[in-house]
Amino acid sequence: DGGITQSPKYLFRKEGQNVTLSCEQNLNHDAMYWYRQDPGQGLRLIYYSQIVNDFQKGDIAEGYSVSREKKESFPLTVTSAQKNPTAFYLCASSDSTSGIYEQYFGPGTRLTVT
Amino acid sequence: DQQVKQNSPSLSVQEGRISILNCDYTNSMFDYFLWYKKYPAEGPTFLISISSIKDKNEDGRFTVFLNKSAKHLSLHIVPSQPGDSAVYFCAANTGGFKTIFGAGTRLFVKA
Repeated sequence: DGGITQSPKYLFRKEGQNVTLSCEQNLNHDAMYWYRQDPGQGLRLIYYSQIVNDFQKGDIAEGYSVSREKKESFPLTVTSAQKNPTAFYLCASSDSTSGIYEQYFGPGTRLTVT
Repeated sequence: DQQVKQNSPSLSVQEGRISILNCDYTNSMFDYFLWYKKYPAEGPTFLISISSIKDKNEDGRFTVFLNKSAKHLSLHIVPSQPGDSAVYFCAANTGGFKTIFGAGTRLFVKA
């Protein structure tokens, strides 16, 4: 089955620790995205990547880092510099050539930092 | 600055009736609008979209209406079914990779 997988589903970390969230897709999509969702707010874009070895900051990139070494993988690292890391994180991909801009989302990772 | 606003956090509808979810936007450069549906513990899934050159797009029980002059779009679900109970996100795109999402409206369809 084609789709996007995110792991783990729930993640708990102590304040001051970096943590990496995994995102893998087998849809052969060029573009991948990371979003953050907080209660009462829409999905906010953290980073996106249009192609391997290239990525751009979204609206709330501070305290986060990404890499795109393989087409199918786009891991997100939440660093200790992120002031409010507790949130629900969603990874998505899209066929950048389709012109439709529909995105396919993974099931998300809920990160809790205490 | 919320460019895409869904002012109703929740909506309750009787099964078989029409559900109308509303969305307002402020950026006149948006030229593509999408609706996503999200069940608990799952990621959002694409539902229906509309280009700014149209004012209506229909797919089965789902119809999206776009009023560009009012910067308003709505999603109509007719007839509503209990399985439609979910959070619905309105989203807008200017044609690039960046999509702006609203905060979502939680729809409850009562049997």
